[in-house]
Amino acid sequence: AAGVIQSPRHLIKEKRETATLKCYPIPRHDTVYWYQQGPGQDPQFLISFYEKMQSDKGSIPDRFSAQQFSDYHSELNMSSLELGDSALYFCASSSTPYNEQFFGPGTRLTVL
Amino acid sequence: DAKTTQPTSMDCAEGRAANLPCNHSTISGNEYVYWYRQIHSQGPQYIIHGLKNNETNEMASLIITEDRKSSTLILPHATLRDTAVYYCIAFSSGSARQLTFGSGTQLTVLP
Repeated sequence: AAGVIQSPRHLIKEKRETATLKCYPIPRHDTVYWYQQGPGQDPQFLISFYEKMQSDKGSIPDRFSAQQFSDYHSELNMSSLELGDSALYFCASSSTPYNEQFFGPGTRLTVL
Repeated sequence: DAKTTQPTSMDCAEGRAANLPCNHSTISGNEYVYWYRQIHSQGPQYIIHGLKNNETNEMASLIITEDRKSSTLILPHATLRDTAVYYCIAFSSGSARQLTFGSGTQLTVLP
């Protein structure tokens, strides 16, 4: 069965650079979620989109922005990167806003 | 969403049933109990969810007490690949609602 695809899987950036993470949801899923997991921490919700509209917002820094496109894929844009942004970033998708969320393999971002 | 409380860690012998408890004493009537697990640095994996009745699927069983203040996730025949952090989450359905991950239980299946 098709799963959530995230790219890239690994990303290394310098401080103050920008990064773009991409998420391709499971086919026919219309809701996308972004989570951040720092070293030794539990996943923390960042933001979600339903039918291309922002739906729920968590602890997402103002330096980060995200959107969902017409084909339902989503991109997380991160600017002015800081050392503390080094983390695993997971994308999840669901078929409606009410169903279980299926997670991708994550993007490991390292900021040097 | 209601706060959940889980033991920090548990061990289980391979081939035996693993019973993971979760307390959610403040859960409201419209909140489901969801279970996810995360194998080291992989994306969290959905296991099962329920509202009032016990549920079973190919991965696990979920037993919810009649007062809904606690639940138990049962892995009937634990294998080494079940070693993971298990998260119990009280979740009220709604438009693209976030999952709030607590500390979870580190389950270690021993050979």
